[in-house]
Order: sequence, then C-alpha cells, then structure tokens
Amino acid sequence: GESVGLHLPTLSVQEGDNSIINCAYSNSASDYFIWYKQESGKGPQFIIDIRSNMDKRQGQRVTVLLNKTVKHLSLQIAATQPGDSAVYFCAESSNTGNQFYFGTGTSLTVIP
Amino acid sequence: DGGITQSPKYLFRKEGQNVTLSCEQNLNHDAMYWYRQDPGQGLRLIYYSQIVNDFQKGDIAEGYSVSREKKESFPLTVTSAQKNPTAFYLCASSAGQGSYEQYFGPGTRLTVT
Repeated sequence: GESVGLHLPTLSVQEGDNSIINCAYSNSASDYFIWYKQESGKGPQFIIDIRSNMDKRQGQRVTVLLNKTVKHLSLQIAATQPGDSAVYFCAESSNTGNQFYFGTGTSLTVIP
Repeated sequence: DGGITQSPKYLFRKEGQNVTLSCEQNLNHDAMYWYRQDPGQGLRLIYYSQIVNDFQKGDIAEGYSVSREKKESFPLTVTSAQKNPTAFYLCASSAGQGSYEQYFGPGTRLTVT
C-alpha cells in the first residue's frame, strides 16, 4: 500500500517565526498532494494543494514545495500565529484520485 | 449554509451492538468517504462511494458497512464484528470527476464499552 509519513511528530515555534513541516511519500506515481490542518476534536480543513507537474505553490501565508526526485513535500507557514497551532497532515492521491493516503500528522505548537 | 454534517458528535454504545453514524452533504458532491482516525495516527479509509448506489471498500472495511441510496447521504454502520470500534470517524466528500479536494465533516467520536 501507499506510505506517507512525516519526519517530525511535534514542532514548536515562536509566534512570528516561520514554520516548516515536512512529509515523505513513497509512491512516485502519485500526482496530487494536499495539506490539511486539524484542530482538536474537529475535522481536517484544506490548506493548500499541489499537483505533480508543479514544484511550488503559494497561498495566503503558506507555501507548499514538492520535490519529486526525493519524494518529499513541505509546508511552510510564514509569520506563524497562535491560531496556527494544530495537527497538520499531508495526503497523497492514488493514481485514480479516488483514494487519499494520509500521514500520521505533525503537531504544531506556537509559543506566544 | 453548505457543508457536511455528521451526527451525533459523541456516541456511546455497548459492545455487541451495531451503530450507524450519519453523514449528510449539501454540496452536490458525487463522491463521499468514511475515514477512521485513532490517536496519533493518520486517517485510514473505510469505504468510499463515487456515485449513488455504488461504493467500494477502503483499506479497513472489515466490520463496517455503508449504503448510498441518496447523493447527499452516506451512512456508516459499525457492526459488532468490528474488533476495535472506539475511534474518531470522519466523513468527507468531493465533487469527483477529476476534482480531488475532499471536504470533511466535524467527525463523530464513538466509544464502545
């Protein structure tokens, strides 16, 4: 089966600093990736996505980088705020796009 | 107010009882999904449905059943055959047909004792 994993289970950053959350995936044929944010007791919320024909995509305060050579995905959050504290998941799609495989998540804590 | 609703938020059952979790969406999405989340783990796919009256097993379908009689509804039944049913259950939907982004409901926390 697919394997999606995160390098660090927890990350603590000072408010205002930039955060980088990493993710490794195993299926070189995966063509779509999503980052989700999940607050305690709630469902995941979409943050940003990227297709395999791109290396970088930017949103509001967030950037996703995709390195297909080493099958690595990262999420960068600029000027991290207390409201960014949550668990962040990466997910990769199967070839058909019908199934997603999720990593275990990284817990981000922002220190005021 | 469009979105996905799951009810109830918390559910308690005795071991040996079947229980059905509700998932409704008014986004007019074709595809719907059920995931299970355990502490410290990622989401694992139980079942998914790409269209009404059709569904497929995910990675951990044993002990679960679903139906998709209506486009907006995808109920999940946790049967007594599921060995470890206590978990956080998440329902999601996507437009389908090449639109991959999944929208999640708020989840139902099921506790079986």
